[in-house]
Amino acid sequence: DIQMTQSPSSLSASVGDRVTITCRASQSIARYLNWYQLKPGKAPKALIYAASSLQSGVPSRFSGGGSGTEFTLTISSLQPEDFATYYCQQDYTTPSFGQGTKLEI
Amino acid sequence: QVQLQESGPGLVKPSQTLSLTCTVSGGPISSGGYYWSWIRQPAGKGLEWIGRVYISGSPNYNPSLTSRVSISVDTSKNQFSLKLSSVTAADTAVYYCARVRRDFNNSGRDYYYMDVWGKGTTVTVSS
Repeated sequence: DIQMTQSPSSLSASVGDRVTITCRASQSIARYLNWYQLKPGKAPKALIYAASSLQSGVPSRFSGGGSGTEFTLTISSLQPEDFATYYCQQDYTTPSFGQGTKLEI
Repeated sequence: QVQLQESGPGLVKPSQTLSLTCTVSGGPISSGGYYWSWIRQPAGKGLEWIGRVYISGSPNYNPSLTSRVSISVDTSKNQFSLKLSSVTAADTAVYYCARVRRDFNNSGRDYYYMDVWGKGTTVTVSS
């Protein structure tokens, strides 16, 4: 099984800040890495697929990078609606998720 | 715009079978070449992929659940469903259904990601 580890587990930031979340895979997964945003009571939202491709409709302040075993999700200027929990997910083998990063005000 | 909605019992007794349905609205489930998937999240924990199915072809399941899980599609009802047998308290979770989009990759295996999700439904396993 491929283990996905996110850091940090939680993050406090302010509106307008630039934040980066890191996701590490236990083995190389090429670019088979997706990012999702979860908010309580709402349908999860796909943000990034194939490591760096922006999902349609997602604001350009979100960006993804990396390949192999290390990946990043960056939000260039935090907006109030961005405070949520973010998960990475690999699809190189049986899909698995990171443990999540809670982004708080 | 495609929307997904999970439905099913919110309480299941231990050792029984959990059955959930995901209703797809806004487009036919059989078009577009999509896969259809189930994911769950126990309270206070992370997400766990359960499995996915294509309209034609064998489903793929998480190896940790494969002996107990079944995912199927009913094109006549525009729905897909999840059955999980012999449930225990460890199966208590929010269950999500999702559409899986395939992005073609010229240099290797295609990319798959869950582009549309339902809001989730809570299932508790308890006597």
